[in-house]
Amino acid sequence: SAVISQKPSRDICQRGTSLTIQCQVDSQVTMMFWYRQQPGQSLTLIATANQGSEATYESGFVIDKFPISRPNLTFSTLTVSNMSPEDSSIYLCSVEAEWPAPPETQYFGPGTRLLVL
Amino acid sequence: AQSVTQLGSHVSVSEGALVLLRCNYSSSVPPYLFWYVQYPNQGLQLLLKYTSAATLVKGINGFEAEFKKSETSFHLTKPSAHMSDAAEYFCVVSETYSSASKIIFGSGTRLSIRP
Repeated sequence: SAVISQKPSRDICQRGTSLTIQCQVDSQVTMMFWYRQQPGQSLTLIATANQGSEATYESGFVIDKFPISRPNLTFSTLTVSNMSPEDSSIYLCSVEAEWPAPPETQYFGPGTRLLVL
Repeated sequence: AQSVTQLGSHVSVSEGALVLLRCNYSSSVPPYLFWYVQYPNQGLQLLLKYTSAATLVKGINGFEAEFKKSETSFHLTKPSAHMSDAAEYFCVVSETYSSASKIIFGSGTRLSIRP
């Protein structure tokens, strides 16, 4: 299994500002994913980040609002830009299990709880 | 495209009673299916997974799920509920096409345990 840490674990931010969330994995992984979990709702995939290429965004999410970096195989950042109260959510980083674990098994970080005032 | 439906956003059972959380999926290819649990103020934890081996899958904390292709279901059960089982449970299906694997989450079922 992969051990994933996220920083910060929680934050309270003012509208109009930006927050960068860091995701660190204890092993090299090819694919990393960023999810959003709005209050009382399920998880929604924001984007997939592969090292050395631009992130692939899901419908409804754009790079200007959620820029992602993936500088190496163990680290990624997600920035929530120009925040509004609607961005208040839990943001989760996940990675896909590497062999010999079965594919399509993902491990999740503890999440970053964001409250925008 | 694959999808997953969890029946019942909130389930309440008495301590010691049977837990049954329902999940149905749709998929045009053999799916990978998972149950994740999210305890209050904690991250997601894999409970169990089905990856085309045995249809009855045993997970952690006494939970198990049975893959029924004819019913396109993957219901989660536990014979006797504990207070510590109170959490949000997500049924998840994995897309296996192309070179990118993405998982699709169900809407979640909140399990409450009555003393």
